[in-house]
Amino acid sequence: EVQLLESGGGLVQPGGSLRLSCAASGFTFSSNAMSWVRQAPGKGLLWVSAITATGITTYYADSVKGRFTISRDNSKNMVFLQMNGLRADDTAVYFCARGGSSGRLDYWGQGTLVTVSP
Amino acid sequence: QSALTQPPSASGSPGQSVTISCTGTSSDVGGYNYVSWYQQHPGKAPKLMIYEVTQRPSGIPDRFSGSKSGNTASLTVSGLQPEDEADYYCLSYAGANNLGVFGTGTKVTVL
Repeated sequence: EVQLLESGGGLVQPGGSLRLSCAASGFTFSSNAMSWVRQAPGKGLLWVSAITATGITTYYADSVKGRFTISRDNSKNMVFLQMNGLRADDTAVYFCARGGSSGRLDYWGQGTLVTVSP
Repeated sequence: QSALTQPPSASGSPGQSVTISCTGTSSDVGGYNYVSWYQQHPGKAPKLMIYEVTQRPSGIPDRFSGSKSGNTASLTVSGLQPEDEADYYCLSYAGANNLGVFGTGTKVTVL
């Protein structure tokens, strides 16, 4: 059974940093691209970042480019999202999903809430 | 990239059909056959319902179907059931070196 479990969310002040983690199991992690998608309270979905199976290529939404960094550790079946320079409009539930830029996000975690507030 | 355009809401009675549109441009929906659809119940993670315009993942009922014409993709839910009441989002590939673009979302109500 495919499982994705996010962690690392919480309350952070504007300008602060957080590192989200996603632990994957139930599939060959090193053969799959991975993504982060976020959803602000009461709003729609935004694809934040993606990373290829090898980790060589990464993608970012314009709104987070230069502030967020996606990475992965294929030896530990984990994907990470380092978030720096956080702003109030980064407040959202962040979902980890299996899949990459082709858009077939076939498994999702339950999400972790990030709140950016003074 | 701008979000794809979906109607805010759609509704139908049990047993009826509802169709949701997803309009983009030739740079996303119209340019590739990589449109997917996601169902999201309140407080839950999105669930993949359709991928590559028309393909259903294993376990998704054939009441859900997808299509595309030009720059507009569509999701049809036939034989509406109470559990189909949810938000639905489309997602389109937007070319190499780009992340895909989600639609604005449609709330489906089963009357």
